Amino acid sequence: AQTVTQSQPEMSVQEAETVTLSCTYDTSESDYYLFWYKQPPSRQMILVIRQEAYKQQNATENRFSVNFQKAAKSFSLKISDSQLGDAAMYFCAYRSAWGGATNKLIFGTGTLLAVQP
Amino acid sequence: NAGVTQTPKFRILKIGQSMTLQCTQDMNHNYMYWYRQDPGMGLKLIYYSVGAGITDKGEVPNGYNVSRSTTEDFPLRLELAAPSQTSVYFCASSYRETGVTYEQYFGPGTRLTVT
Repeated sequence: AQTVTQSQPEMSVQEAETVTLSCTYDTSESDYYLFWYKQPPSRQMILVIRQEAYKQQNATENRFSVNFQKAAKSFSLKISDSQLGDAAMYFCAYRSAWGGATNKLIFGTGTLLAVQP
Repeated sequence: NAGVTQTPKFRILKIGQSMTLQCTQDMNHNYMYWYRQDPGMGLKLIYYSVGAGITDKGEVPNGYNVSRSTTEDFPLRLELAAPSQTSVYFCASSYRETGVTYEQYFGPGTRLTVT
């Protein structure tokens, strides 16, 4: 079974600085997707970025980028020029590319990011 | 598009009571899901549906039931509520066709407390 581990329960960053959130996963599959979701206090789950395992190039979305190391099964999220609105819980998630009918997401336990003004 | 909507936003139940959490999506997605999020944890899949009339269990289905009579609606039923069902419940939907799976969109969640 696949697992996702986020070893940093909480992180803090100064406004305008850069922060990196860690995620590792375990799978025997070769084809899968990885995601970072943001959950602000409103509880809404917002997709931040997605990475296909077959793509070597790291995904980027504006100030958000990932460092995907397939061999190490590592998938970290870098937030550049941090803003107060980035404060939230961040979840790393895994989805099998050939997961049968389920298509389910497997989530880590989350990292709570605080942004200091 | 409203996306995925859930009602109610909050609910307090007494032990042994029953209730239905409503979920509706207007994106014509064929897949729908129910997750629960316990404090300090990620989301876990309760039930899912691949289309109207078809549902199946996820990781933590005990104490819940679902139905999918239409593409848009996927209600989650709690029978005989227990304190262990105190959680935040998320409904999600996505579109999947042969060889292609699109992203899951989440509703705003329902915070349920059972006392």
